[in-house]
Amino acid sequence: RKEVEQDPGPFNVPEGATVAFNCTYSNSASQSFFWYRQDCRKEPKLLMSVYSSGNEDGRFTAQLNRASQYISLLIRDSKLSDSATYLCVVNNPAYNFNKFYFGSGTKLNVKP
Amino acid sequence: EAGVTQSPTHLIKTRGQQATLRCSPISGHTSVYWYQQALGLGLQFLLWYDEGEERNRGNFPPRFSGRQFPNYSSELNVNALELEDSALYLCASSSRELTSGGADTQYFGPGTRLTVL
Repeated sequence: RKEVEQDPGPFNVPEGATVAFNCTYSNSASQSFFWYRQDCRKEPKLLMSVYSSGNEDGRFTAQLNRASQYISLLIRDSKLSDSATYLCVVNNPAYNFNKFYFGSGTKLNVKP
Repeated sequence: EAGVTQSPTHLIKTRGQQATLRCSPISGHTSVYWYQQALGLGLQFLLWYDEGEERNRGNFPPRFSGRQFPNYSSELNVNALELEDSALYLCASSSRELTSGGADTQYFGPGTRLTVL
């Protein structure tokens, strides 16, 4: 079983729509969670960390559900510029085991 | 502040040759991570260096190796290149910002695209 699993999509949505992605992780000891976005043939860029209480940054909201071992990303009022692949990242930061696990990504296409 | 830099941008080699990829972290960052991203696939963890030492490695053969220099820059070496080594190689450096679980936050360089013919 993969450490981190994501629906590859693509999610095709119109501008202005609300879209949500989920990501499941297998290691219950995971401590840190992130969402990155990656544009085609570019490097991943940090979108937001995910906190236990959930957090919001403008149109983006991230949630963590430890009981069910998933994290989610909600994008409101989608813009054309949101089109990208969204990567879920999970980490157990115990010293000498600082290994980050990346999901394969969920592709989002926002259409005019 | 300058971000993570990588060189070269593109590298073309033939099977059996050796490739050397370089990475300079963000100033003040001591950790460097290397990842391989084959076309259409997710990032696969290769190596983690911190304070000049290899701290962890992913499930890759020993012909993938590297080192970290006293200035925290890093080099990834791939020996005996195979066709399936063709990929985007990403380097990330991390700060010690406290996140929800105390993990480092990674910042990526633009990558080196390695093509093996």
